[in-house]
Amino acid sequence: AQSVTQLDSQVPVFEEAPVELRCNYSSSVSVYLFWYVQYPNQGLQLLLKYLSGSTLVKGINGFEAEFNKSQTSFHLRKPSVHISDTAEYFCAVRNQAGTALIFGKGTTLSVSS
Amino acid sequence: EAEVAQSPRYKITEKSQAVAFWCDPISGHATLYWYRQILGQGPELLVQFQDESVVDDSQLPKDRFSAERLKGVDSTLKIQPAELGDSAMYLCASSLDSVGQFFGPGTRLTVL
Repeated sequence: AQSVTQLDSQVPVFEEAPVELRCNYSSSVSVYLFWYVQYPNQGLQLLLKYLSGSTLVKGINGFEAEFNKSQTSFHLRKPSVHISDTAEYFCAVRNQAGTALIFGKGTTLSVSS
Repeated sequence: EAEVAQSPRYKITEKSQAVAFWCDPISGHATLYWYRQILGQGPELLVQFQDESVVDDSQLPKDRFSAERLKGVDSTLKIQPAELGDSAMYLCASSLDSVGQFFGPGTRLTVL
């Protein structure tokens, strides 16, 4: 069965510092991987996705992620965070049976000045 | 920019009562999903529609939950009767293809 593990439940960082949010997945088939961001009391917004091709994927708001097949990881990075990046971040893999997504439990990114 | 619409945004109900949530997907999106997100967790699929047909409802508690998308456009998710454990955010998403889902703002349900 497919699953997603987000290794850190909370990540506190200072403004302008770099950040990495870690995500590991398990799947026996080719994967499509996603990162979503959720602000309080809102829906999820797609940051970026990996479908195929280049393993380095660039997304919105300066985020990028690297697909590593050998380590079954898809870590999210940003070289310099802003206060406004404070939110919940979810890693997801597409369901093998269909097109629905299987989400990790989320990582809370807290950016302080 | 087209968005997925959901209503109501917030709903408070007492246990044993019936509740219903509505979702209007982005125009032209054939696939519609309902997810449930318990506080502190990631969303989990409840039901997936392709046009008006159910593709996957394996995680839908069918004794109390029902979902329909009669004309293949908007959709309604119903809970009857509601239980305390149903308190959660209910998210609707739609997609045109298999690799891009757009989420609505969600309905936060509180069962007292």
